[in-house]
Amino acid sequence: ILNVEQSPQSLHVQEGDSTNFTCSFPSSNFYALHWYRWETAKSPEALFVMTLNGDEKKKGRISATLNTKEGYSYLYIKGSQPEDSATYLCAFITGSQGNLIFGKGTKLSVKP
Amino acid sequence: KAGVTQTPRYLIKTRGQQVTLSCSPISGHRSVSWYQQTPGQGLQFLFEYFSETQRNKGNFPGRFSGRQFSNSRSEMNVSTLELGDSALYLCASSPVSGQYNEQFFGPGTRLTVL
Repeated sequence: ILNVEQSPQSLHVQEGDSTNFTCSFPSSNFYALHWYRWETAKSPEALFVMTLNGDEKKKGRISATLNTKEGYSYLYIKGSQPEDSATYLCAFITGSQGNLIFGKGTKLSVKP
Repeated sequence: KAGVTQTPRYLIKTRGQQVTLSCSPISGHRSVSWYQQTPGQGLQFLFEYFSETQRNKGNFPGRFSGRQFSNSRSEMNVSTLELGDSALYLCASSPVSGQYNEQFFGPGTRLTVL
């Protein structure tokens, strides 16, 4: 059974802190990795879709890296703001015909 | 462009009943996927429809079924409801077939089974 692990489960930081989370996935048969942000009472929103080993993507203060050989991806948030408070989900897919396998998420709380 | 819409947003049913949930994708999107989220679990994939055909199915019992219409709107049906079916049901749409593409999620339907 394919499994995606995210750590930590939750994180509390102060405004201005930089933080990072980890997503671990099976390194065999990798096809793509997704990151989503899910704010309370809203819909999950895509941050990044990553496909290549060594890929680095950036959107504002948020960036992500991908290591397909060892099966992990990091999500970084620089200078966290209260509006960054959300659950961050990663999802892994093994092939173009496969389905997304989601981790349980990392819940980030940023205190002003 | 309007986002993905789901109806109803909240639903309360009793064990043994059946329920139908609806999802309208973003205009032009032909792929619709359904997910279940229960407390403490990640999003669990139910099925994906593309051009009215089910192209992929998750590991759920046959009580869970779905369909897609020619306008790409999709419905999900759960028959003989069980307490464990209480969950948030999300649908997501994408322009093309295949979940490797970015998924655009709806707000979800919260189903409570009493």
